[in-house]
Amino acid sequence: GQQVMQIPQYQHVQEGEDFTTYCNSSTTLSNIQWYKQRPGGHPVFLIQLVKSGEVKKQKRLTFQFGEAKKNSSLHITATQTTDVGTYFCAGRTGAGSYQLTFGKGTKLSVIP
Amino acid sequence: EAEVAQSPRYKITEKSQAVAFWCDPISGHATLYWYRQILGQGPELLVQFQDESVVDDSQLPKDRFSAERLKGVDSTLKIQPAELGDSAMYLCASTTTTRYEQYFGPGTRLTVT
Repeated sequence: GQQVMQIPQYQHVQEGEDFTTYCNSSTTLSNIQWYKQRPGGHPVFLIQLVKSGEVKKQKRLTFQFGEAKKNSSLHITATQTTDVGTYFCAGRTGAGSYQLTFGKGTKLSVIP
Repeated sequence: EAEVAQSPRYKITEKSQAVAFWCDPISGHATLYWYRQILGQGPELLVQFQDESVVDDSQLPKDRFSAERLKGVDSTLKIQPAELGDSAMYLCASTTTTRYEQYFGPGTRLTVT
């Protein structure tokens, strides 16, 4: 079955440093979504990427979808304590499929 | 803003007992998902409904888990009998058929003793 792998599993950064998490799929994806889960909370949708090579920005967050549509990354510039949480990528295979396969997530800690 | 509702938020049960979780999706969301999230892992799909029909339950341990969405609105997930390994967060999510982002509920934290 489809597998989605994320690295690193944990990342500790000093406030103001940048952060990147990487996501790789064993199969080509129709699209990929990113979610953020705060400690004690539930996953919250951040963004969806659909096109090969797509890059989207949300303030300090930059999301990329690889040319082969098998990998993706999330980059946070100048982290803040509010960025703390676990970031999950979730891949979808078929265009008509509503199912997501989640990665194990990258847990971000920001040291003030 | 509309939210997915789940209850109870926390449940402690002894192994071999039955337990049930309830989910009320956002109004108008035809697709409903039940996920299990073990601490430190990503959500794993248990079952997906489209209206009242099961679309995918291939990852649902059917010897002990059951799920229903009788009127295509709210849903119940049941475990009988519960086992120690079932301790996890059970998340419900919903979405429309025209948008792909999933809206998650607060989850039910199950502890089996």
